[in-house]
Amino acid sequence: GAVVSQHPSRVICKSGTSVKIECRSLDFQATTMFWYRQFPKQSLMLMATSNEGSKATYEQGVEKDKFLINHASLTLSTLTVTSAHPEDSSFYICSAREDTEQYFGPGTRLTVT
Amino acid sequence: QKEVEQDPGPLSVPEGAIVSLNCTYSNSAFQYFMWYRQYSRKGPELLMYTYSSGNKEDGRFTAQVDKSSKYISLFIRDSQPSDSATYLCAMRRPGGYQKVTFGIGTKLQVIP
Repeated sequence: GAVVSQHPSRVICKSGTSVKIECRSLDFQATTMFWYRQFPKQSLMLMATSNEGSKATYEQGVEKDKFLINHASLTLSTLTVTSAHPEDSSFYICSAREDTEQYFGPGTRLTVT
Repeated sequence: QKEVEQDPGPLSVPEGAIVSLNCTYSNSAFQYFMWYRQYSRKGPELLMYTYSSGNKEDGRFTAQVDKSSKYISLFIRDSQPSDSATYLCAMRRPGGYQKVTFGIGTKLQVIP
């Protein structure tokens, strides 16, 4: 199947700083990428849908000014958590769609101290 | 009522057993159905994808969809300890930009 990479795999940052997470589709072009958040023992929560070259569509309740998404090319989308706080600590997973199938990255564990 | 219902388990089975994982859904607009496997602290891995009622087989895995009952299943034959993971059902409506709705996931443990 298609491969999606994510970097970094884990990051620890101090409260108030910003963190950028990269998502790349390695062997296919993804016109649509998705960003999810997952809390322990809970399912994936969609944060936003990102289309190449256009603004991301955020789900209700997700602060667009806090979670900045950029989808600059068909193989790269970035999520920047601005002014991170401890409650932003979570597992962030990106996903890229190839035709009708959707593939996930390995996830990024963010810990805000 | 959630759009997708899935028993979180945990489900424990002996090695070699046939595992049956299930989800029900309420939105008849869902036409594409997926099963993902997620190991602890990893991203979900696509196992099966189908868009029609009936069975689809891939190795030890069989995905079954019954649109009339709004019920999907994943069967794992000859289960192995390496199958121990959380299995998420997922589904979406037609259209390239339609978002995927996930079940909560069923945690499976295959005991050697």
